[in-house]
Amino acid sequence: GAGVSQSPSNKVTEKGKDVELRCDPISGHTALYWYRQSLGQGLEFLIYFQGNSAPDKSGLPSDRFSAERTGGSVSTLTIQRTQQEDSAVYLCASSRNRVGETQYFGPGTRLLVL
Amino acid sequence: AQSVTQPDIHITVSEGASLELRCNYSYGATPYLFWYVQSPGQGLQLLLKYFSGDTLVQGIKGFEAEFKRSQSSFNLRKPSVHWSDAAEYFCAVGGSNNDMRFGAGTRLTVKP
Repeated sequence: GAGVSQSPSNKVTEKGKDVELRCDPISGHTALYWYRQSLGQGLEFLIYFQGNSAPDKSGLPSDRFSAERTGGSVSTLTIQRTQQEDSAVYLCASSRNRVGETQYFGPGTRLLVL
Repeated sequence: AQSVTQPDIHITVSEGASLELRCNYSYGATPYLFWYVQSPGQGLQLLLKYFSGDTLVQGIKGFEAEFKRSQSSFNLRKPSVHWSDAAEYFCAVGGSNNDMRFGAGTRLTVKP
């Protein structure tokens, strides 16, 4: 079956522009996560959607970052007024909404802010 | 919220040697613990997980991990490393509401 997909796979943008990153989770997975992986760094938690509950936004680094999940499926991570330090790989993962469930990761979107 | 520490940023072992990657967690309740591997140019893949029962967990590719509550640890081990094991390894802890936190990762280099 289809795994988690993300688009675009690569994005180059100019400093100050807005970008949107998309994640399509595995069908039936109600939990969705966004992480950021900077060069040589670990996985930084950004935001977590759990079913219809309010998302856990505690990992968003600034108010320039926001995310939505429409219809409990597709999610979009938006970065406004991008900065060079936003350059990273943005990873999306999904899982069934049960405790201890395995997360399945997408291939990531590599963002480069010039 | 829970947190994870992986004390070793980079480890180098010889092919055929044994391996242990350290992971310490902080969480007030029973944790759900995971090890993921990220091979060069590939996505993250689950190696193994623990959330109840036997504290010694077997995973794919010959890996195992042992949950030690008294030490708040979940170290990953393999008796004999193969060159294909060279990758980045991430320990993660899940909470009761299914949120997850990952460690900074340990990069494994395998010498011939």
